[in-house]
Amino acid sequence: DQQVKQNSPSLSVQEGRISILNCDYTNSMFDYFLWYKKYPAEGPTFLISISSIKDKNEDGRFTVFLNKSAKHLSLHIVPSQPGDSAVYFCAASDPSGTYKYIFGTGTRLKVLA
Amino acid sequence: DTAVSQTPKYLVTQMGNDKSIKCEQNLGHDTMYWYKQDSKKFLKIMFSYNNKELIINETVPNRFSPKSPDKAHLNLHINSLELGDSAVYFCASSQDGTSIVETQYFGPGTRLLVL
Repeated sequence: DQQVKQNSPSLSVQEGRISILNCDYTNSMFDYFLWYKKYPAEGPTFLISISSIKDKNEDGRFTVFLNKSAKHLSLHIVPSQPGDSAVYFCAASDPSGTYKYIFGTGTRLKVLA
Repeated sequence: DTAVSQTPKYLVTQMGNDKSIKCEQNLGHDTMYWYKQDSKKFLKIMFSYNNKELIINETVPNRFSPKSPDKAHLNLHINSLELGDSAVYFCASSQDGTSIVETQYFGPGTRLLVL
């Protein structure tokens, strides 16, 4: 019963182009979402978040879009850079009171120079 | 200065042994977490502590026992290690664990291999 899903395990993009990473969730009670980036042999680091009262949040080259009716969010990186090559995890904050994160399985992004 | 640190970074051990993983955060946070990332890359919460008190205890075998001597430390002790315990264990912390918009900060992970 995977509540947060990232159906693309990997993605390759040319440097300078847009990277689009997708995430779907099943629990309509989720109302806060985050993206984490992970390099090999390191822990995940926070990238960007979005609350369900918004449908877009932007931070520099990173933009997260939320479509509540479709229970879908996406992370756009533009322009993509080789240093963006990492595994990206989508997460939802559990609203039941514990505020634990529920993570997707990650998408490995490779930006080709 | 490392915000969330874990030791050891790698741990190779035999089935049946008992081992501990240590975690320390210097962010002044009140809440700490343990996550497990298994071979399928699922990153799942195991425990969380707020100010030394257990808040979250997911369905984790009794062989796993977290211990928080103070709010800056959350150690994980595992008894009678099994092959299925092989995974990467991540420690994390957040300000106080009472807000949905808090950010969790992760340590570098401990790679445990049980032979």
